[in-house]
Amino acid sequence: GENVGLHLPTLSVQEGDNSIINCAYSNSASDYFIWYKQESGKGPQFIIDIRSNMDKRQGQRVTVLLNKTVKHLSLQIAATQPGDSAVYFCAENFGDDKIIFGKGTRLHILP
Amino acid sequence: DTGVSQNPRHKITKRGQNVTFRCDPISEHNRLYWYRQTLGQGPEFLTYFQNEAQLEKSRLLSDRFSAERPKGSFSTLEIQRTEQGDSAMYLCASSQGQVQETQYFGPGTRLLVL
Repeated sequence: GENVGLHLPTLSVQEGDNSIINCAYSNSASDYFIWYKQESGKGPQFIIDIRSNMDKRQGQRVTVLLNKTVKHLSLQIAATQPGDSAVYFCAENFGDDKIIFGKGTRLHILP
Repeated sequence: DTGVSQNPRHKITKRGQNVTFRCDPISEHNRLYWYRQTLGQGPEFLTYFQNEAQLEKSRLLSDRFSAERPKGSFSTLEIQRTEQGDSAMYLCASSQGQVQETQYFGPGTRLLVL
């Protein structure tokens, strides 16, 4: 079936720099997208979401961009901190209550 | 703490045994979801409830798996005759009750089948 996928399994970023985590989705019917952060031994933590009628949404230090033309989603984290180290999942939904997760990107913060 | 809670956090069992996990959702959340996550993968949907009604089950949920939410509050997930392939993190999430509402996850129950 169609699934959300990610370009890079691991991303290393210098502390204080901005991080950009990318995600490609294949289901053109998807109309709701979510980013989750998962720290080791914990459940996924909601970060930010965006609906298909938007192309950008901002939160605290995070921005999600949606490009429906190329089916691409990205998460930007400003001024990356050590506490941002985690696995980040993008997820999609297409009109029901089932979230389809991608495989995740591990964000590693360099001191 | 008013988040989603799950018990136990860890379970080790022998192949062939039955196990049961419990999830307590955020208070007044009508929808409750179960997901399974294996190492290095994203969570996979198993089933969900709207109040006490089980509305959808994934084909991942074999007949050895059963989930209940008898009073529309907490939920249990039982696995009968466990197999080594059942080893995974079992995650529970809840949401307020509308489609595409934010789902909040619990810490998960990590199951190891020997």
